[in-house]
Amino acid sequence: ETGVTQTPRHLVMGMTNKKSLKCEQHLGHNAMYWYKQSAKKPLELMFVYSLEERVENNSVPSRFSPECPNSSHLFLHLHTLQPEDSALYLCASSQGQLSGGYTFGSGTRLTVV
Amino acid sequence: EDQVTQSPEALRLQEGESSSLNCSYTVSGLRGLFWYRQDPGKGPEFLFTLYSAGEEKEKERLKATLTKKESFLHITAPKPEDSATYLCAVQFYGGSQGNLIFGKGTKLSVKP
Repeated sequence: ETGVTQTPRHLVMGMTNKKSLKCEQHLGHNAMYWYKQSAKKPLELMFVYSLEERVENNSVPSRFSPECPNSSHLFLHLHTLQPEDSALYLCASSQGQLSGGYTFGSGTRLTVV
Repeated sequence: EDQVTQSPEALRLQEGESSSLNCSYTVSGLRGLFWYRQDPGKGPEFLFTLYSAGEEKEKERLKATLTKKESFLHITAPKPEDSATYLCAVQFYGGSQGNLIFGKGTKLSVKP
């Protein structure tokens, strides 16, 4: 499979649950990103990994915890979320951080109840 | 204050009715401006990169242009399959690790 794959596509979780989002890219890219997309808002950058090292953390609450075990995989671990965290979470990759031509996955639609 | 502003928020066109979408930016030291297309339930799909004023890029019915303060995405004789949300993003020198700043998008609907 090519491109950027995200699982699951949909997730409903309670505020006390712990879950993880997974992202996998088969493009040979060396930078990976997590974005949050909410209605009526621009895409918000959450985390950036370059060469498997975290280089950006945009003041994201600690209830979101990223993990990048290798250059092809990226996880977002979720715990004790709030209803306002409900959104579409998008993973993207690029060849180098300065490349603006990102390849996005289809996202995980998260609902916190 | 938004650094990237897209207008209009929504645009309805008849098939074949050409129009333009606007993306204006306030950042200085532009490194690149990027256009993406996003279909419902999917992630954004990269369309174009523009680096300097006067540059133009074309793909099928779409043409992107860039000035010093804004970019236009011209859609010529659109078809219903062009319906999507079009996102603009900028990257500037000195920006945090070169990260993209996105606008809110323009939702385009093309009716047959």
